[in-house]
Amino acid sequence: AQKVTQAQTEISVVEKEDVTLDCVYETRDTTYYLFWYKQPPSGELVFLIRRNSFDEQNEISGRYSWNFQKSTSSFNFTITASQVVDSAVYFCALSESQKLVFGQGTRLTINP
Amino acid sequence: EAQVTQNPRYLITVTGKKLTVTCSQNMNHEYMSWYRQDPGLGLRQIYYSMNVEVTDKGDVPEGYKVSRKEKRNFPLILESPSPNQTSLYFCASSITGANTEAFFGQGTRLTVV
Repeated sequence: AQKVTQAQTEISVVEKEDVTLDCVYETRDTTYYLFWYKQPPSGELVFLIRRNSFDEQNEISGRYSWNFQKSTSSFNFTITASQVVDSAVYFCALSESQKLVFGQGTRLTINP
Repeated sequence: EAQVTQNPRYLITVTGKKLTVTCSQNMNHEYMSWYRQDPGLGLRQIYYSMNVEVTDKGDVPEGYKVSRKEKRNFPLILESPSPNQTSLYFCASSITGANTEAFFGQGTRLTVV
């Protein structure tokens, strides 16, 4: 069965530090998709990125970057020069066939 | 504005009293799903629907029912709520399936006493 593990329950850093959120997944399929979602204090869930299993290229979007490594079944998320507005709970998720499985989430706090 | 709308946002009910949480999307998405969010467990999928009249169980379907009679609506029904169903519930839709970007509703905080 598919599984997503976010081992870091909470992370706290000072503004402008770089921070990496880890995500490790398990799946038996060769075709799958990985996602990151952000849940700010207001509670809504916001899509950040989607990556399919055949595309191992890293992605950068402004201060955000993602590192996908099939060899280690990981899809890590790095925020460069963190800002207070980055404070949120971040979820990694895996879709296989038509189910979507989320990790436990990492609560990230950026302190001024 | 493209959105997924859930109602109610907050609900306190008593054990055994049937309730329905509504979910509606205006994006003509085929795929809709329900999740519950609990501390330390992340979001867990309850039910999903690939299209009208097509529904299937997620990872935690016990105690819940759904229906998909129209493409835009996907209500979540708790026939006999119990305290262990106290949770934050999210409805989501995506254009074709679980492998595409999901748009989430604002969430429904349910308390069963």
